[in-house]
Amino acid sequence: AQKVTQAQTEISVVEKEDVTLDCVYETRDTTYYLFWYKQPPSGELVFLIRRNSFDEQNEISGRYSWNFQKSTSSFNFTITASQVVDSAVYFCALSDPGTYKYIFGTGTRLKVLA
Amino acid sequence: NAGVTQTPKFQVLKTGQSMTLQCAQDMNHNSMYWYRQDPGMGLRLIYYSASEGTTDKGEVPNGYNVSRLNKREFSLRLESAAPSQTSVYFCASKNTLGGLNQPQHFGDGTRLSIL
Repeated sequence: AQKVTQAQTEISVVEKEDVTLDCVYETRDTTYYLFWYKQPPSGELVFLIRRNSFDEQNEISGRYSWNFQKSTSSFNFTITASQVVDSAVYFCALSDPGTYKYIFGTGTRLKVLA
Repeated sequence: NAGVTQTPKFQVLKTGQSMTLQCAQDMNHNSMYWYRQDPGMGLRLIYYSASEGTTDKGEVPNGYNVSRLNKREFSLRLESAAPSQTSVYFCASKNTLGGLNQPQHFGDGTRLSIL
């Protein structure tokens, strides 16, 4: 069975601190995609990044970086020098290759304090 | 570019009432999805439609029905609303012809309260 675990329910940091959000997944498929979404207080879901199972290169986009490790089935998300605007709920999701459905984690609420 | 549009944004119902949540996308996507979001439970799939004319159950389909009216529209119906269906509902669409790597695009959600 496929599963996504985000063990951190809520994280609080002070502005300018670095923070890492953990995502651990389970799947028997050899081809799959992982995604991160951001849900700010306004409620919409914003796509951040996707990563396929054959590409283990880390990715950096500004203050955001993602570390994908197949050996540990993890796809962690780091925000460097956090800002108040980063306060949101962040979801990790795994794409089912047969049906294109997503399996979502339960989300991590990040609070960045000024 | 509107993307995925959900109506209404807010609704309050009494137990037993029926209601249809509407969703439309203008991105020519073939797959559409309905999720519910509850505190501490993430997003759970209710129903999805892989292509026009097909619908399938997701993780939590009980108490809901769906209709894929055409390629653009995918509606979710509560026939007899129950307080347990109080939630935020999200519609999403995806271009599956582009493969697994295409992200789902989400609407802004419908906040539904059942009294």
